[in-house]
Amino acid sequence: QVQLQESGPGLVKPSETLSLTCTVSGDSISSYYWSWMRQSPGKGLEWLGNMYFSGTTSGTTNYNPSLKSRITTSADMSKNQVSLNLRSMTAADTAVYYCARVYSTSITWFGPWGRGIRVTVSS
Amino acid sequence: DIQMTQSPSSLSASVGDRVTITCRASETIDNFLNWYQQKPGQAPEVLIVGASSLQTGVPSRFSGSGSGTDFTLTISNLQPEDFATYSCQQSYKSPYTFGQGTKLEIK
Repeated sequence: QVQLQESGPGLVKPSETLSLTCTVSGDSISSYYWSWMRQSPGKGLEWLGNMYFSGTTSGTTNYNPSLKSRITTSADMSKNQVSLNLRSMTAADTAVYYCARVYSTSITWFGPWGRGIRVTVSS
Repeated sequence: DIQMTQSPSSLSASVGDRVTITCRASETIDNFLNWYQQKPGQAPEVLIVGASSLQTGVPSRFSGSGSGTDFTLTISNLQPEDFATYSCQQSYKSPYTFGQGTKLEIK
């Protein structure tokens, strides 16, 4: 059974870079695409990007254009982790951040998800 | 981006009721529509993919229908564990987008 666990800081200062890690257990991260989503207070879920990592840490990525200039992702194959970096954080980036496995046959959907990590941007 | 609009935003119902949640896409998405359930403090879980295919383990009281731009999620014989927030998500075109969510509360 695949399980995901997000980790990282709960508080980030404006203009700083958010770094989050998603630790995957029960499957190799090289077997699937992985995704990051977030949910701002009172708003719907927002897809941030999909990523695939095999033998290289740079991988194959598809990011939401609304974040394209600020987002990068990477992987640590030895720890079975995928990571998200989001630069130049503002209050608008305050949200619960989720990682999820991407399941893609003829339809693409997300599951399972981690429980999420709440990130607040404040000085 | 494809905009996904759900209605209603919130809904009160009783155990045993039948409820319907609607999701409308701003352009045609064929059947590339998924539904998720999220309970407070928990991760979202997928219920239905491809507009109408129930995921393994999801009770048969959940059903989905629709194609093109208009979709519905129906829950028959509501159970206490069904009170949660439901979100639709299109995977027709990147960036993948979600509806704003429908909160189903106990009346």
